[in-house]
Amino acid sequence: GEDVEQSLFLSVREGDSSVINCTYTDSSSTYLYWYKQEPGAGLQLLTYIFSNMDMKQDQRLTVLLNKKDKHLSLRIADTQTGDSAIYFCAEGKASGGYNKLIFGAGTRLAVHP
Amino acid sequence: NAGVTQTPKFQVLKTGQSMTLQCAQDMNHNSMYWYRQDPGMGLRLIYYSASEGTTDKGEVPNGYNVSRLNKREFSLRLESAAPSQTSVYFCASSKPQTSNYGYTFGSGTRLTVV
Repeated sequence: GEDVEQSLFLSVREGDSSVINCTYTDSSSTYLYWYKQEPGAGLQLLTYIFSNMDMKQDQRLTVLLNKKDKHLSLRIADTQTGDSAIYFCAEGKASGGYNKLIFGAGTRLAVHP
Repeated sequence: NAGVTQTPKFQVLKTGQSMTLQCAQDMNHNSMYWYRQDPGMGLRLIYYSASEGTTDKGEVPNGYNVSRLNKREFSLRLESAAPSQTSVYFCASSKPQTSNYGYTFGSGTRLTVV
């Protein structure tokens, strides 16, 4: 089956690193994604990683992919209050002529002083 | 470039009323989607349209209908609203040939059914 799981809540101190974890079940997924949702807004694509990669770094963001364990993580260095949001993990692949994305329930990141 | 535009942003309905949520994208994307977001349940796919002229049921289609009016527009209709349909609704679109298959989301419609 297809399922994406992530913890629902994470609290960190401003300036610390945040690590949000995700597990997925579909080993044929082509891409893995992290989306960010700020209060009252839609989801914005934060970063993504191709399934044959182990790591991707983009400024303060580091994505790690363990394909064997089907585990994806997002590390945010020097977490700021502006990083407070809900972060959604998603797995995706082309299926039946469209891009099939399966989303996790989202991890709410709270950054406190 | 507006991306994905949803209207209205907020709506309150009485039980049994009907309404249509509108969605339009200006990115020439082939596929469009409707999701609902409820606390603790993430995003659930209601309906999708892989390409112009086709629509298919997603995970939670009961109580909804959709119309892919043209390549740009994909509407979601509630024929007889129920309190269980109180939710935030998101429209999204994607282009199959893009390098990462990602979705672009609208800003959402917050619907309350009383």
